[in-house]
Amino acid sequence: DGGITQSPKYLFRKEGQNVTLSCEQNLNHDAMYWYRQDPGQGLRLIYYSQIVNDFQKGDIAEGYSVSREKKESFPLTVTSAQKNPTAFYLCASSSRDRGLGGELFFGEGSRLTVL
Amino acid sequence: KQEVTQIPAALSVPEGENLVLNCSFTDSAIYNLQWFRQDPGKGLTSLLLIQSSQREQTSGRLNASLDKSSGRSTLYIAASQPGDSATYLCAVYNQGGKLIFGQGTELSVKP
Repeated sequence: DGGITQSPKYLFRKEGQNVTLSCEQNLNHDAMYWYRQDPGQGLRLIYYSQIVNDFQKGDIAEGYSVSREKKESFPLTVTSAQKNPTAFYLCASSSRDRGLGGELFFGEGSRLTVL
Repeated sequence: KQEVTQIPAALSVPEGENLVLNCSFTDSAIYNLQWFRQDPGKGLTSLLLIQSSQREQTSGRLNASLDKSSGRSTLYIAASQPGDSATYLCAVYNQGGKLIFGQGTELSVKP
């Protein structure tokens, strides 16, 4: 089945550690996105990528990094510089540049807890 | 600056009732509007996408309408079922290339 796979589903991290969240899609979509969801704050865009080897910062990129070496993959690293990393992270993809308004599809999410 | 508002924040209805969820936005210059469903602890599932040139979209018991001039969209759910219980979010694509989400409406359908 086509879709977006995020792993791990749950992740625990000690303060000061970097962690990487995986996002893989087999929908042949060009654009991929990372969102963070916190209670009462809705979804906020961290990074997005419209094509391979290119990505842009979203609204809350500080303390995060990404790469886009393959069309199918868009991993997110939560670095120790992120002040409040405990959150639910959602990866999404769309078939067209979001500026053109392609339909957005989401993965199942990864819940990160910092101990 | 585009703002997306969903009212009410929570809604509880008995099974079988028809219901309407509301989404309003402040800037009418949008490419499209998308409705999602989110179950607790899960990702978002796309329900309906309405392009800016369209007035409505239908999928099964769901019907979404769009009125750009008034900055409003509604999601109509017919004959609600307990399985419809979830949080429903709307999101608009700005012509500035930005996707803005509402805070969501948490729906509970009681058997």
